[in-house]
Amino acid sequence: QQKVQQSPESLSVPEGGMASLNCTSSDRNFQYFWWYRQHSGEGPKALMSIFSDGDKKEGRFTAHLNKASLHVSLHIRDSQPSDSALYFCAASEQTGGYKVVFGSGTRLLVSP
Amino acid sequence: EAAVTQSPRSKVAVTGGKVTLSCHQTNNHDYMYWYRQDTGHGLRLIHYSYVADSTEKGDIPDGYKASRPSQENFSLILELASLSQTAVYFCASRPTGFNQDTQYFGPGTRLLVL
Repeated sequence: QQKVQQSPESLSVPEGGMASLNCTSSDRNFQYFWWYRQHSGEGPKALMSIFSDGDKKEGRFTAHLNKASLHVSLHIRDSQPSDSALYFCAASEQTGGYKVVFGSGTRLLVSP
Repeated sequence: EAAVTQSPRSKVAVTGGKVTLSCHQTNNHDYMYWYRQDTGHGLRLIHYSYVADSTEKGDIPDGYKASRPSQENFSLILELASLSQTAVYFCASRPTGFNQDTQYFGPGTRLLVL
């Protein structure tokens, strides 16, 4: 079983809508989370990290972490066609450590 | 912005042949990683390195070797390529230190083994 599970596998939202992506760690040791975004034909690029309970907002992107349930979500407000991409959740046991485990990704399509 | 380049960008190899994928970073980062990406599996760690002349096994090292001759360069070697190694390969680097965990990825190498 993968240590990091993402849902849904794919998601379609209209332009201007809200996209919500979910991620859960099955290993209680993995409590530090990142969101990465990968556009077609490119390498993944970090969007944001979240290490503490609660919300973290960066522009149109808001991450929410619940450490008790090891659940993290990413909400994209006012979604744009350029947000269409594969989104990865990643988790690690500690900051500064070598290893990060990635989920299998959520494919987001934003339709004009 | 941090820069990681990979070569070649795509390659067709024959089963049983030797394949070398190269990665170069200009970030002055200590850590470098090799991942493979397959549909439904996300990114899986093959090998990593935190210092020149030293490499470590990741989660799926079988069938792969790695080489880190300098801080800037990190290679992935498939001595006997197999059909199951068809995938997209990504190299990444990251700095050392507390809260310095963001990984910077290259553009990827698409490998097709026939």
